[in-house]
Amino acid sequence: DAGITQSPRHKVTETGTPVTLRCHQTENHRYMYWYRQDPGHGLRLIHYSYGVKDTDKGEVSDGYSVSRSKTEDFLLTLESATSSQTSVYFCAISRPGMRNEQFFGPGTRLTVL
Amino acid sequence: AQKVTQAQTEISVVEKEDVTLDCVYETRDTTYYLFWYKQPPSGELVFLIRRNSFDEQNEISGRYSWNFQKSTSSFNFTITASQVVDSAVYFCALSEETSGTYKYIFGTGTRLKVLA
Repeated sequence: DAGITQSPRHKVTETGTPVTLRCHQTENHRYMYWYRQDPGHGLRLIHYSYGVKDTDKGEVSDGYSVSRSKTEDFLLTLESATSSQTSVYFCAISRPGMRNEQFFGPGTRLTVL
Repeated sequence: AQKVTQAQTEISVVEKEDVTLDCVYETRDTTYYLFWYKQPPSGELVFLIRRNSFDEQNEISGRYSWNFQKSTSSFNFTITASQVVDSAVYFCALSEETSGTYKYIFGTGTRLKVLA
């Protein structure tokens, strides 16, 4: 258990509203990631962080922003949600010093109507 | 560029059959890592195995085995004597270090259905 929680676990929202998803870890890992999972696409990287205030874009970053003001929290924000952002969102941490393994949170199912 | 291909979208087998899930990757780096993850119907992603590019030994863990071949850029996963509980989506992933950070690329997954 890598001590990763995500909140909320489920959310339904309307097009145009802002949405923030939270990822919280308890083990002080430096690297954190946000992915989205969609049928036929597997998991695609949205943004990642390699330290407090250090973030970078992944392959599908348009329409998303992130913030990391504390080691334990990595926030994903949809400034103005669209129906194409309906997806399951996974947060992950990696342990480069420990076999480079990546572990995932339980996921957040977001529906944008 | 990095790429991971899982050409098998869905596989159905009868319980106790052996099944192999294919994974082919592309990378320009000499140092990289390969992974397999399992996603059961409950939705969580479960880490199964990690292999680095310098270790081509095959690995066996119970009914699971992995065949890593750099010559063909493949990292295939075999389940021996499959069971209904093996029904899940399986993802192969590749990780490289880029400018001091690690990014991961996932395949599109293979859905395995094991029928009783």
